[in-house]
Amino acid sequence: EIVLTQSPGTLALSPGERATLSCRASQSVSSRYLAWYQQKPGQAPRLLIYGASSRATGIPDRFSGSASGTDFTLTISRLEPEDFAVYYCHQYGNSPYTFGQGTKLEIK
Amino acid sequence: QMQLQESGPGLVKPSETLSLTCSVSGGSINKSSFYWDWIRQPPGKGLEWIGSMYYSGSTYYNPSLESRATISVDTSKNQFSLRVTSVTAADTAVYFCARRAWVGPFDFWGQGSLVTVSS
Repeated sequence: EIVLTQSPGTLALSPGERATLSCRASQSVSSRYLAWYQQKPGQAPRLLIYGASSRATGIPDRFSGSASGTDFTLTISRLEPEDFAVYYCHQYGNSPYTFGQGTKLEIK
Repeated sequence: QMQLQESGPGLVKPSETLSLTCSVSGGSINKSSFYWDWIRQPPGKGLEWIGSMYYSGSTYYNPSLESRATISVDTSKNQFSLRVTSVTAADTAVYFCARRAWVGPFDFWGQGSLVTVSS
């Protein structure tokens, strides 16, 4: 099973700032089959990024993803008030499919 | 626009069987290249993938559930279902159904259904 470790656990920033969220995989993720989701309280996760760096339909371009080996990064270039939520990384290349434990992005 | 909706009892007794149904609208479940999955989230915790089903009925599961989970399909109703046997308090969670393409992320999700295991 591929274990995904996200850091930090909580990130406190202000609107307008840049957010950098990390996800490290315990082994190689097949063909960059790595996604990022945003989840707000009481809602289902929302797909932001797939294939490590491709934005899902309708996702603003302030969200971007990158990869280097087993390290993956989600960057939000300029935080909007609606961006404060929990973010999960997810690998879908190897069964069992797994998720990171989440990074909570909160308002400073 | 594709929509998924979970339904089922919100309370299940320990040792009994949890049963949930996912109704799909805006597209046919009987379409190649898509998988239909269940994912759960214990209160205040992270996400756990439970299992996956292809429209043909073939399935595979997360070994962590130790063979207690079964996913089935009813193409005539455009629904798929989850059963988890011998539940304990550790199975208390919000259960989501979701769609993904072959080797793809989960792109459409249901709103989630809270199931509490308690006597």
